[in-house]
Amino acid sequence: AIQMNQSPSSLSASIGDRVTVTCRASQDIRSDLGWYQQKPGRAPKLLIYGASRLQSGVPSRFSGSGSGTYFTLTISSLQPEDSATYYCLQDYDYPRTFGQGTKVEIK
Amino acid sequence: DVQLVESGGGLVQPGESLRLSCEASEFSFSDFWMTWVRQAPGKGLEWVANIRRDGGQKYYADSAKGRFTISRDNAKNSLFLQMSSLRVEDTATYYCARDRDYRDKNMYYDAYDIWGQGTVVIVSS
Repeated sequence: AIQMNQSPSSLSASIGDRVTVTCRASQDIRSDLGWYQQKPGRAPKLLIYGASRLQSGVPSRFSGSGSGTYFTLTISSLQPEDSATYYCLQDYDYPRTFGQGTKVEIK
Repeated sequence: DVQLVESGGGLVQPGESLRLSCEASEFSFSDFWMTWVRQAPGKGLEWVANIRRDGGQKYYADSAKGRFTISRDNAKNSLFLQMSSLRVEDTATYYCARDRDYRDKNMYYDAYDIWGQGTVVIVSS
């Protein structure tokens, strides 16, 4: 199975900061990667698909980049409502695999 | 509203079986692959299984192979997960999700754009 190594496992940042989360795949997955946001007690929410394509309705401060084995999720200006755990998911091959998650906290 | 609602979770003993359901509304259910994802308490997300639009193709995580069976009834807009030989480590919130195909120029991507609220399965003696 493809391993998705996500880092950091947690971070703390201030309102307005630029925040970056990375995901590395154990093999080339082209651009077949999505990013999901999950708040406590809630279902995950799709933010980015195809590595860099913003899901409809998601604020433009979220962006994704990368291809092959290295991917990033960036929040350009952190807002209070962005406090959540973020996961990457590869949809290149079966079984699908998630990263371990990155918990983003507000200082 | 486009919606997925899971049901069927509960408390069972190790070795027992349980059938989860996911009812879809306000979209053409038969047009979409569907997926189950689970999350153990305090842990990350784990992909479990998915099924093609017509039910003719299914994929499973290694942890689910041989014990779990995904199925669907398009006439009833419903997705199912039959779980048998349950283990303590199957304790989790189980989510169903819609697998949507996105087209960008000549490339296709898929992602889980609609999720249910989850149903809790506890396996304990």
